Amino acid sequence: GENVEQHPSTLSVQEGDSAVIKCTYSDSASNYFPWYKQELGKGPQLIIDIRSNVGEKKDQRIAVTLNKTAKHFSLHITETQPEDSAVYFCAASSKAAGNKLTFGGGTRVLVKP
Amino acid sequence: DAGITQSPRYKITETGRQVTLMCHQTWSHSYMFWYRQDLGHGLRLIYYSAAADITDKGEVPDGYVVSRSKTENFPLTLESATRSQTSVYFCASSDPAGIWNSPLHFGNGTRLTVT
Repeated sequence: GENVEQHPSTLSVQEGDSAVIKCTYSDSASNYFPWYKQELGKGPQLIIDIRSNVGEKKDQRIAVTLNKTAKHFSLHITETQPEDSAVYFCAASSKAAGNKLTFGGGTRVLVKP
Repeated sequence: DAGITQSPRYKITETGRQVTLMCHQTWSHSYMFWYRQDLGHGLRLIYYSAAADITDKGEVPDGYVVSRSKTENFPLTLESATRSQTSVYFCASSDPAGIWNSPLHFGNGTRLTVT
């Protein structure tokens, strides 16, 4: 089955700096890669996703890049703000695997004012 | 309001007891999922359902039972709770179309403690 590794497990950045989280996946059939943000006491919420037919996607201060050959994808947050502090999860899935998402272990991001 | 709701939010039970966690969604999504979240393990899939009366095991199904008699409900039952099942449980739903998967929509979780 799919295996998703996520690094780093914790990330501390100064407000205004950029944050980068990296994930690798094992199943070459995976074609959908979402990123979720989880705030304290809440369920994960989708912040951005990318499909395997594109290499990069951007939405305001967040962007995701995908390298299918190397089987890795990354989340980039620019101009970080205190409200970006949360736990972030990457995930991967394929239709062949029945729409099941396999999640990485999570990254706790702390933005210091 | 439309959404996905889980109940209860918090539950304390004793080892050996049966406990059921409830999940209800108002979107009429075909797929529903149960994940557990533990420190160091991220989110792990317990069971999922592609439609009413269709369920399948995920990564960590042992000790759990699910049913899906109606599209909107997907209860998770721990038949005889163990301390290792102390965790935060998340229900999610999605409605994939075409060749691409679609995002999961999560509830706010149930924090279960087994003493």
